[in-house]
Amino acid sequence: DTGVSQDPRHKITKRGQNVTFRCDPISEHNRLYWYRQTLGQGPEFLTYFQNEAQLEKSRLLSDRFSAERPKGSFSTLEIQRTEQGDSAMYLCASSPHNTEAFFGQGTRLTVV
Amino acid sequence: AQSVTQLDSHVSVSEGTPVLLRCNYSSSYSPSLFWYVQHPNKGLQLLLKYTSAATLVKGINGFEAEFKKSETSFHLTKPSAHMSDAAEYFCVVSRPLKTSYDKVIFGPGTSLSVIP
Repeated sequence: DTGVSQDPRHKITKRGQNVTFRCDPISEHNRLYWYRQTLGQGPEFLTYFQNEAQLEKSRLLSDRFSAERPKGSFSTLEIQRTEQGDSAMYLCASSPHNTEAFFGQGTRLTVV
Repeated sequence: AQSVTQLDSHVSVSEGTPVLLRCNYSSSYSPSLFWYVQHPNKGLQLLLKYTSAATLVKGINGFEAEFKKSETSFHLTKPSAHMSDAAEYFCVVSRPLKTSYDKVIFGPGTSLSVIP
């Protein structure tokens, strides 16, 4: 499968724990995006990388959230001290220059 | 500023009948517009896109959408619904694609049910 891959698909964690998600974009796509989707809503932009540089961060991305793309390939999204309000589907997408993005299947996070 | 409104949160049609999913947008410049579909446990899939070329856009699986600037609408249609069309559909507005994809705005989604 040569699409965007996200791992894990599901994560259940206790409030206050840290979690990390991984996204592997389509090979040679230099842009990588993270979105969050809550129940009954459309995805909301979180942050965006061009190669290894993080170029944009949404106000939704609180200090407890951090994203990296160290070698310009895969990316990780870490949430520290999780809260129940962090429960959502976290979507990753990638694109080449100036075209539409291709989405992964997402990681569903449940904070209990 | 941009925004997108999907007028129906849920639409139910019978198999073989036409589908109409409504989308209105607001944008201070000439936007690019997309429709995405999300099946359960699957990633978002692009159905079609409008990027200032032909106003009637044909997509995959028999879907099409018409950009109407005067009505600020981009409704999605299909002549005959199939059971496999049951999914969540998102209308998306963005700046023209010469800019990055971080400026896209997703609508809240319309859930389509297809009755046998």
